[in-house]
Amino acid sequence: EPEVTQTPSHQVTQMGQEVILRCVPISNHLYFYWYRQILGQKVEFLVSFYNNEISEKSEIFDDQFSVERPDGSNFTLKIRSTKLEDSAMYFCASNTGSDNSPLHFGNGTRLTVT
Amino acid sequence: LAKTTQPISMDSYEGQEVNITCSHNNIATNDYITWYQQFPSQGPRFIIQGYKTKVTNEVASLFIPADRKSSTLSLPRVSLSDTAVYYCLVGDISSGSARQLTFGSGTQLTVLP
Repeated sequence: EPEVTQTPSHQVTQMGQEVILRCVPISNHLYFYWYRQILGQKVEFLVSFYNNEISEKSEIFDDQFSVERPDGSNFTLKIRSTKLEDSAMYFCASNTGSDNSPLHFGNGTRLTVT
Repeated sequence: LAKTTQPISMDSYEGQEVNITCSHNNIATNDYITWYQQFPSQGPRFIIQGYKTKVTNEVASLFIPADRKSSTLSLPRVSLSDTAVYYCLVGDISSGSARQLTFGSGTQLTVLP
């Protein structure tokens, strides 16, 4: 069964540093998403992406966040200047976008900001 | 946005059938109901999705009454490995409108030997 894959599984960075989290969505999917989950809290929507542009974003997705699809397979989330409160699990998801097709999630990247 | 309400936790024993009910009183006409399972430090995993009546797949059944204001996820004969958090999501995700999909606190299912 095709999967959404994310790398790295764990990223440790110092406050103020830039990080890039990478995702390879399922190949025939057209919509891509990032969610995050702070330890012990709910899964929160960050951003959706379609046709090389952002479709929707939440209040969390401020100017320090950006997304990109640099090639035909990767989908990245960049955090320009990390803060301690950015420490969380970041999940990538994708779906076909048709007929309410469900989102398929990767296993996440655990980001630890020190 | 359709708000969902689920029990915070449930306990069951191996081999039993488990039913988790979710309330979504303000579900909209175009909304679908989707259930996910999440293990610690893993991403949510899709279980089942439905619009009305009953849907069944190889792992679960989903019962949706005619008024669609609630839904029940049924897990037959659970095992220890079914211990996880189960989320009920309600929304219209056509055209990538995933912002409408709001994860609540979920139901922590603990299966006991």
